[in-house]
Amino acid sequence: GQNIDQPTEMTATEGAIVQINCTYQTSGFNGLFWYQQHAGEAPTFLSYNVLDGLEEKGRFSSFLSRSKGYSYLLLKELQMKDSASYLCAVLTTDSWGKLQFGAGTQVVVTP
Amino acid sequence: EAQVTQNPRYLITVTGKKLTVTCSQNMNHEYMSWYRQDPGLGLRQIYYSMNVEVTDKGDVPEGYKVSRKEKRNFPLILESPSPNQTSLYFCASSLTSGGGNIQYFGAGTRLSVL
Repeated sequence: GQNIDQPTEMTATEGAIVQINCTYQTSGFNGLFWYQQHAGEAPTFLSYNVLDGLEEKGRFSSFLSRSKGYSYLLLKELQMKDSASYLCAVLTTDSWGKLQFGAGTQVVVTP
Repeated sequence: EAQVTQNPRYLITVTGKKLTVTCSQNMNHEYMSWYRQDPGLGLRQIYYSMNVEVTDKGDVPEGYKVSRKEKRNFPLILESPSPNQTSLYFCASSLTSGGGNIQYFGAGTRLSVL
Protein backbone atom coordinates (compact mmCIF):
# COMPACT_ATOMS: atom_id res chain seq x y z
CA GLY A 1 0.00 0.00 0.00
CA GLN A 2 0.92 3.65 0.03
CA ASN A 3 2.03 5.76 2.94
CA ILE A 4 1.83 9.53 2.68
CA ASP A 5 3.07 11.77 5.47
CA GLN A 6 2.76 15.49 5.94
CA PRO A 7 2.83 17.69 9.04
CA THR A 8 -0.46 18.24 10.82
CA GLU A 9 -0.24 21.97 11.28
CA MET A 10 1.97 24.95 10.49
CA THR A 11 1.68 28.56 11.54
CA ALA A 12 3.22 31.52 9.72
CA THR A 13 2.89 35.28 9.57
CA GLU A 14 1.25 37.23 6.79
CA GLY A 15 3.84 38.05 4.11
CA ALA A 16 6.14 35.19 5.10
CA ILE A 17 7.03 31.95 3.31
CA VAL A 18 5.94 28.49 4.38
CA GLN A 19 7.13 25.14 3.06
CA ILE A 20 4.90 22.08 3.47
CA ASN A 21 6.71 18.78 3.11
CA CYS A 22 5.20 15.53 1.92
CA THR A 23 6.92 12.15 1.90
CA TYR A 24 5.48 9.08 0.28
CA GLN A 25 6.19 5.40 -0.16
CA THR A 26 4.49 3.87 -3.13
CA SER A 27 4.87 1.51 -6.03
CA GLY A 28 4.29 2.56 -9.62
CA PHE A 29 4.41 6.33 -9.04
CA ASN A 30 2.36 8.24 -11.59
CA GLY A 31 2.32 11.79 -10.28
CA LEU A 32 1.78 13.91 -7.20
CA PHE A 33 -0.90 16.53 -6.70
CA TRP A 34 -1.33 19.34 -4.22
CA TYR A 35 -4.81 20.53 -3.36
CA GLN A 36 -6.00 23.41 -1.19
CA GLN A 37 -9.07 22.93 0.98
CA HIS A 38 -10.78 25.63 3.01
CA ALA A 39 -12.81 24.39 5.96
CA GLY A 40 -15.97 22.60 4.84
CA GLU A 41 -15.28 23.26 1.16
CA ALA A 42 -14.15 21.21 -1.82
CA PRO A 43 -10.47 20.56 -2.45
CA THR A 44 -9.22 22.71 -5.31
CA PHE A 45 -6.27 21.82 -7.53
CA LEU A 46 -3.01 23.69 -6.98
CA SER A 47 -0.25 21.77 -8.73
CA TYR A 48 0.87 18.55 -10.35
CA ASN A 49 4.39 17.08 -10.54
CA VAL A 50 5.43 13.91 -12.30
CA LEU A 51 9.05 14.72 -13.16
CA ASP A 52 11.77 15.79 -10.73
CA GLY A 53 12.11 19.50 -10.23
CA LEU A 54 10.30 22.66 -9.38
CA GLU A 55 7.01 23.86 -10.84
CA GLU A 56 6.24 27.51 -10.21
CA LYS A 57 2.80 29.05 -10.45
CA GLY A 58 2.56 32.56 -9.08
CA ARG A 59 2.97 32.59 -5.29
CA PHE A 60 2.86 28.80 -5.13
CA SER A 61 5.62 26.40 -6.16
CA SER A 62 5.84 22.64 -5.90
CA PHE A 63 8.92 20.45 -5.94
CA LEU A 64 9.34 16.74 -6.50
CA SER A 65 12.15 14.27 -5.96
CA ARG A 66 11.05 10.83 -7.14
CA SER A 67 14.19 9.08 -5.91
CA LYS A 68 13.62 10.40 -2.39
CA GLY A 69 9.83 10.02 -2.39
CA TYR A 70 9.59 13.66 -1.41
CA SER A 71 7.67 16.73 -2.42
CA TYR A 72 7.10 20.16 -0.98
CA LEU A 73 4.66 22.98 -1.58
CA LEU A 74 6.06 26.47 -1.12
CA LEU A 75 3.71 29.32 -0.37
CA LYS A 76 5.26 32.77 -0.72
CA GLU A 77 3.99 36.19 0.35
CA LEU A 78 1.42 34.59 2.58
CA GLN A 79 -2.03 36.16 2.71
CA MET A 80 -4.77 35.62 5.27
CA LYS A 81 -6.84 33.81 2.64
CA ASP A 82 -4.10 31.16 2.41
CA SER A 83 -5.23 29.81 5.79
CA ALA A 84 -6.47 26.38 4.72
CA SER A 85 -5.61 22.71 4.69
CA TYR A 86 -3.13 21.60 2.02
CA LEU A 87 -3.48 18.05 0.78
CA CYS A 88 -0.73 15.99 -0.80
CA ALA A 89 -2.05 13.21 -3.04
CA VAL A 90 -0.25 10.51 -5.00
CA LEU A 91 -1.43 8.73 -8.13
CA THR A 92 -0.06 5.29 -8.88
CA THR A 93 -0.04 3.30 -12.10
CA ASP A 94 -2.05 0.47 -10.58
CA SER A 95 -4.70 2.56 -8.83
CA TRP A 96 -7.08 3.33 -11.72
CA GLY A 97 -7.20 7.03 -11.03
CA LYS A 98 -7.44 6.74 -7.26
CA LEU A 99 -5.68 9.57 -5.49
CA GLN A 100 -4.07 8.43 -2.24
CA PHE A 101 -4.29 11.43 0.08
CA GLY A 102 -2.24 12.43 3.04
CA ALA A 103 -4.18 13.65 6.09
CA GLY A 104 -3.53 17.27 5.16
CA THR A 105 -1.53 20.15 6.66
CA GLN A 106 -3.50 22.93 8.30
CA VAL A 107 -1.75 26.25 7.61
CA VAL A 108 -2.68 29.10 9.91
CA VAL A 109 -1.68 32.58 8.75
CA THR A 110 -1.50 35.19 11.50
CA PRO A 111 -1.48 38.98 11.09
CA GLU B 1 -19.43 26.81 -16.11
CA ALA B 2 -17.56 23.53 -15.74
CA GLN B 3 -18.50 21.93 -12.45
CA VAL B 4 -19.29 18.89 -10.35
CA THR B 5 -22.63 19.22 -8.58
CA GLN B 6 -23.60 17.24 -5.50
CA ASN B 7 -26.95 17.15 -3.76
CA PRO B 8 -27.91 17.49 -1.04
CA ARG B 9 -25.21 19.59 0.64
CA TYR B 10 -26.40 18.65 4.11
CA LEU B 11 -28.37 15.61 5.24
CA ILE B 12 -29.44 14.32 8.62
CA THR B 13 -31.02 10.88 8.65
CA VAL B 14 -31.66 7.93 10.93
CA THR B 15 -30.11 4.49 10.97
CA GLY B 16 -31.47 2.18 8.28
CA LYS B 17 -33.27 4.74 6.14
CA LYS B 18 -32.04 4.40 2.54
CA LEU B 19 -30.61 7.51 0.96
CA THR B 20 -29.02 8.62 -2.28
CA VAL B 21 -26.50 11.40 -2.82
CA THR B 22 -26.46 12.59 -6.40
CA CYS B 23 -23.41 13.71 -8.37
CA SER B 24 -23.41 15.23 -11.81
CA GLN B 25 -20.63 16.67 -13.96
CA ASN B 26 -20.92 18.73 -17.13
CA MET B 27 -17.37 18.27 -18.46
CA ASN B 28 -17.91 15.00 -20.36
CA HIS B 29 -15.45 13.29 -18.02
CA GLU B 30 -15.02 9.54 -18.22
CA TYR B 31 -13.72 9.01 -14.69
CA MET B 32 -15.78 9.68 -11.57
CA SER B 33 -15.12 8.83 -7.96
CA TRP B 34 -16.58 9.12 -4.46
CA TYR B 35 -14.47 9.94 -1.41
CA ARG B 36 -15.25 10.34 2.24
CA GLN B 37 -13.31 12.64 4.51
CA ASP B 38 -12.93 12.06 8.23
CA PRO B 39 -10.80 14.03 10.70
CA GLY B 40 -7.21 12.82 10.80
CA LEU B 41 -7.76 10.26 8.06
CA GLY B 42 -7.74 12.35 4.92
CA LEU B 43 -9.82 11.59 1.88
CA ARG B 44 -10.47 7.92 1.21
CA GLN B 45 -11.94 6.52 -1.97
CA ILE B 46 -15.25 4.65 -1.71
CA TYR B 47 -16.03 3.70 -5.31
CA TYR B 48 -14.94 4.79 -8.72
CA SER B 49 -16.12 4.53 -12.32
CA MET B 50 -13.95 4.43 -15.42
CA ASN B 51 -16.89 4.99 -17.75
CA VAL B 52 -20.57 4.19 -18.24
CA GLU B 53 -21.49 0.82 -16.67
CA VAL B 54 -17.91 0.35 -15.38
CA THR B 55 -17.58 0.70 -11.60
CA ASP B 56 -15.31 -0.78 -8.98
CA LYS B 57 -14.55 -0.64 -5.27
CA GLY B 58 -12.14 1.79 -3.70
CA ASP B 59 -10.60 1.49 -0.27
CA VAL B 60 -13.74 1.75 1.88
CA PRO B 61 -16.72 0.40 -0.12
CA GLU B 62 -18.60 -1.42 2.67
CA GLY B 63 -22.13 -0.12 3.11
CA TYR B 64 -22.20 1.79 -0.17
CA LYS B 65 -23.42 1.21 -3.70
CA VAL B 66 -23.00 3.20 -6.89
CA SER B 67 -24.26 3.14 -10.45
CA ARG B 68 -23.14 4.75 -13.70
CA LYS B 69 -25.96 4.55 -16.20
CA GLU B 70 -25.10 7.84 -17.86
CA LYS B 71 -21.75 9.50 -18.31
CA ARG B 72 -22.64 12.64 -16.38
CA ASN B 73 -24.20 11.06 -13.28
CA PHE B 74 -22.68 8.93 -10.52
CA PRO B 75 -25.02 8.57 -7.52
CA LEU B 76 -23.89 7.17 -4.18
CA ILE B 77 -26.42 4.95 -2.46
CA LEU B 78 -26.51 4.02 1.21
CA GLU B 79 -29.01 1.16 1.48
CA SER B 80 -29.02 1.02 5.27
CA PRO B 81 -27.02 3.90 6.73
CA SER B 82 -25.28 3.47 10.05
CA PRO B 83 -23.72 6.06 12.40
CA ASN B 84 -20.19 5.16 11.26
CA GLN B 85 -21.12 6.54 7.85
CA THR B 86 -21.44 10.01 9.33
CA SER B 87 -18.87 11.90 7.29
CA LEU B 88 -18.17 14.54 4.66
CA TYR B 89 -18.55 13.08 1.17
CA PHE B 90 -17.03 14.36 -2.04
CA CYS B 91 -17.67 13.41 -5.62
CA ALA B 92 -14.85 14.01 -8.10
CA SER B 93 -14.35 13.66 -11.83
CA SER B 94 -11.51 13.77 -14.33
CA LEU B 95 -11.18 13.37 -18.06
CA THR B 96 -9.67 9.90 -17.70
CA SER B 97 -7.94 7.91 -15.00
CA GLY B 98 -4.47 8.46 -16.44
CA GLY B 99 -1.60 10.44 -15.02
CA GLY B 100 -1.83 14.19 -15.17
CA ASN B 101 -5.59 14.27 -15.22
CA ILE B 102 -6.79 16.74 -12.63
CA GLN B 103 -9.66 15.58 -10.46
CA TYR B 104 -12.32 18.22 -9.87
CA PHE B 105 -14.35 17.98 -6.71
CA GLY B 106 -17.93 18.78 -5.89
CA ALA B 107 -18.80 21.04 -2.96
CA GLY B 108 -19.36 18.12 -0.61
CA THR B 109 -22.24 16.52 1.24
CA ARG B 110 -22.18 16.52 5.01
CA LEU B 111 -24.08 13.48 6.23
CA SER B 112 -25.11 12.75 9.80
CA VAL B 113 -26.63 9.36 10.62
CA LEU B 114 -28.37 9.26 14.00
